[in-house]
Amino acid sequence: EVQLVESGGELVQPGGSLRLSCSASGFTFSSHAMHWVRQAPGKGLEHVSVISNNGDRTYYADSVKGRFTVSRDNSKSTLYLQMSSLKPEDTAIYFCVKGPLGPGFFGNWGQGTLVTVSS
Amino acid sequence: QSALTQPPSVSGAPGQRVIISCTGSSSNIGAGYDVHWYQQLPGTAPKLLIYGNINRPSGVPDRFSGSKSGTSASLAITGLQAEDEADYYCQSYDSSLSGPLFGGGTKLTVL
Repeated sequence: EVQLVESGGELVQPGGSLRLSCSASGFTFSSHAMHWVRQAPGKGLEHVSVISNNGDRTYYADSVKGRFTVSRDNSKSTLYLQMSSLKPEDTAIYFCVKGPLGPGFFGNWGQGTLVTVSS
Repeated sequence: QSALTQPPSVSGAPGQRVIISCTGSSSNIGAGYDVHWYQQLPGTAPKLLIYGNINRPSGVPDRFSGSKSGTSASLAITGLQAEDEADYYCQSYDSSLSGPLFGGGTKLTVL
């Protein structure tokens, strides 16, 4: 059974930094691209970033480009999202999602971790 | 395009049929990219409901069906049940973004 467990979300001040982690199990992590999708309180889903299976390709939404960095450690089956220069509008639940590098669907979602950016 | 267009809300009585639309453009749905649907129950993560326009993952009741035509897609739910009350999101791929694109979401209320 595929399991994705996010951690690292917390309250952080504007301009601060935070690193999210996602521990994966139940599938061959190193064979799959992985995504971060976020959902602001009471709002819809927004794709944030994707990283290829071996980490050589990444993509970022314009809203986070230059501030967020996605990475992975295949030896630990763990996905990361380093967030810096955080803004109040980054407040959201961040989901770790297993999905394709290109067109396709998101078949497995973590439970999410809440990031709150506020002073 | 920042998001695929969905109605903010739909409603129906138990046993009725509702349809949720998802409208895109020539850079996503109209370009031939598949549409997928997700159900998000209150306080939970989204769950894949329909993939590849019309396909149901194992365990999804056949009361849920999807279709696609031109630059739009639809999710139909027949025999509405109280447990269907949730938020529903469509998703496709956008060639201008070079990435996935979600709809704004539709809240289904079972009266």
